[in-house]
Amino acid sequence: SQQGEEDPQALSIQEGENATMNCSYKTSINNLQWYRQNSGRGLVHLILIRSNEREKHSGRLRVTLDTSKKSSSLLITASRAADTASYFCATANTGANSKLTFGKGITLSVRP
Amino acid sequence: NAGVMQNPRHLVRRRGQEARLRCSPMKGHSHVYWYRQLPEEGLKFMVYLQKENIIDESGMPKERFSAEFPKEGPSILRIQQVVRGDSAAYFCASSLQYRGRNQPQHFGDGTRLSIL
Repeated sequence: SQQGEEDPQALSIQEGENATMNCSYKTSINNLQWYRQNSGRGLVHLILIRSNEREKHSGRLRVTLDTSKKSSSLLITASRAADTASYFCATANTGANSKLTFGKGITLSVRP
Repeated sequence: NAGVMQNPRHLVRRRGQEARLRCSPMKGHSHVYWYRQLPEEGLKFMVYLQKENIIDESGMPKERFSAEFPKEGPSILRIQQVVRGDSAAYFCASSLQYRGRNQPQHFGDGTRLSIL
């Protein structure tokens, strides 16, 4: 598996339900970031969690980080049709620069 | 307060031509990154630049690809003698001055390059 690998690959839920997406990575990281991408658009930064943090909230988003398991989860509560998009986790490793390593992404479909 | 601006949004080239992709970072951002995205894939890092300096080009193909970020003006990703395999979406991101590497990257809407 590659650095920043998400699962599931696709998720379909009903509006109002919660969506949980997971990400695993291989190397030591400085931080992990989650992004959203709507079809044909660029990536929108959602949340950044540092390696010394375990949980972070932003509105309806909750991100956890378990560095011992090299994994992270993104929870979107009370989902809306507008949350339909692809979601990517990206890691910045502890190397010399802050380039991001992305997974292949999760396609989330929220049915109205 | 404009975000990262990329142009053109779509670019069509014939095999053997040159492609020039431009990126203007967010105001106040001095770090620029270029990524490539193939269909149904995540983004792959290509190059990281600061003003007038290439910091890391480990993701850039050794031939035909080059990038610059001059003191004045946008960052340019240049692909010479394009081939069909260069067809992809190219994204630029910028971030604030490096401080402990915990600055988020902000992305443009990308340039979709199609090679005929």
